[in-house]
Amino acid sequence: SQQGEEDPQALSIQEGENATMNCSYKTSINNLQWYRQNSGRGLVHLILIRSNEREKHSGRLRVTLDTSKKSSSLLITASRAADTASYFCATDANSGAGSYQLTFGKGTKLSVIP
Amino acid sequence: NAGVTQTPKFQVLKTGQSMTLQCAQDMNHEYMSWYRQDPGMGLRLIHYSVGAGITDQGEVPNGYNVSRSTTEDFPLRLLSAAPSQTSVYFCASRAGLGTDTQYFGPGTRLTVL
Repeated sequence: SQQGEEDPQALSIQEGENATMNCSYKTSINNLQWYRQNSGRGLVHLILIRSNEREKHSGRLRVTLDTSKKSSSLLITASRAADTASYFCATDANSGAGSYQLTFGKGTKLSVIP
Repeated sequence: NAGVTQTPKFQVLKTGQSMTLQCAQDMNHEYMSWYRQDPGMGLRLIHYSVGAGITDQGEVPNGYNVSRSTTEDFPLRLLSAAPSQTSVYFCASRAGLGTDTQYFGPGTRLTVL
C-alpha cells in the first residue's frame, strides 16, 4: 500500500512564482526522499531528509520534515518552465528483516507557465 | 558509468505470451528493485533483491518472477502476460540500507493486447 500521499494532485503556477507540495505518510520512517519525473522519463532523485532533520536545502529546493505530524513539504523557489514535471515523495522505512523499502506516493503534477 | 539501463524501451505482447525485461547497473549496488507505474499512480514495488541470490516480493508480485544471479543484473520475467500488466516498468538500484537514494532506469513501456 502507498504510504506517502502528495497534495495537491496538480499545481499550475506562473514562471518565477514559488511552488509548494506536501506529503503525508502513516508510519515511522528512516528518511523521506523527493523525486522528479519528467514526462515519459524515469525518476530522478532530488533530495533526501533524514528522520532526525527538520529542514534541508539544495539550490532552489527546500524540504521540511515534521515527524510529529508525519508530513513533509517541498518548496521550489523562483520556478522555471523546466521545473514542469511530476514530483513524488518516497518514504524509506524498515520493512522487516533488515530490508528497507521505498514507498512512493501518487505524485503532484506541476505545470510552470512561461 | 551508464547507471541503470533497461531493455527494451517499448514492447507489445499478446495475452499469454512471456517475456523478460532486462535491467543492469554498473554501480556495484547491492539493492535492486522493480516497480510498475500506472496512469495517475505512484510507483508500486513488484520484487526486490538485497544482493546476489536473494530476492523477495513487493506489493504486487503476482504474475512476475525475478532472479539475481549477479550483482549487476536483475531481470523481470512475465510468465503469461495479461492486459492488467500493461504499464511502465522501472528498475532501480541503491547502494545500501536506509540512507541511500535510488537510481532509476529510463523505463520499459509494456502493452499487453
